[in-house]
Amino acid sequence: DIQMTQSPSSLSASIGDRVTITCRASQGVGHYLAWYQQKPGKAPEPLIYAASSLESGVPSRFSGSGSGTDFTLTISSLQPEDFATYYCQHYDTYPLNFGPGTKVDIK
Amino acid sequence: QVQMMQSGAEVQKPGASVKVSCKASGYRFISYYVHWVRQAPGQGLEWMGWINPNTGDINYGQKFQGRVTMTRATSISTAYMELSSLISTDTAVYYCARSRGLGFLDFWGQGTLVIVSS
Repeated sequence: DIQMTQSPSSLSASIGDRVTITCRASQGVGHYLAWYQQKPGKAPEPLIYAASSLESGVPSRFSGSGSGTDFTLTISSLQPEDFATYYCQHYDTYPLNFGPGTKVDIK
Repeated sequence: QVQMMQSGAEVQKPGASVKVSCKASGYRFISYYVHWVRQAPGQGLEWMGWINPNTGDINYGQKFQGRVTMTRATSISTAYMELSSLISTDTAVYYCARSRGLGFLDFWGQGTLVIVSS
């Protein structure tokens, strides 16, 4: 199975900050990497697929990069609605696995 | 618009089974796999498996083999996930999600809380 790790596990940031979250796979997954945002009590919502493709309707301040084993999610200018937990997920093979999540809260 | 509408919360006793439904609308049901993902309280996301609504083929995560059954009813565009021999650590919110391609989960249900308690 391919295991996913994320760093940091949590971070505090201010409105307008640039935020970067890192995701690492235990073996190469090509570009089969997705990012999701989850707010308390809600289902996850997709942000990025294929490592760097923005899902329809997602603001352009979100971007993804990377391939193989190392990936990043960047929020260029943090907005109030962005305070949430972010998960990466590979879909190279089954089983699918998610990272443990990165909680972004207000400084 | 695409929607995945799940059944309501359940409370079950240890050893019992639970069956969660997921009704899809707004797209051709048989054209996209349906995955199930769960989330224990305060924890991360755990993939359980998928069903191909067109063929009924399934792929279960090893952890759930022997305890989970995924089925579908194409006439009503509904997928089901049944988990048996429930234990307290099965207490979680269970989500269905449609996948685009191998496993990018582009539309999710609202979640179904399953509480296992005596």
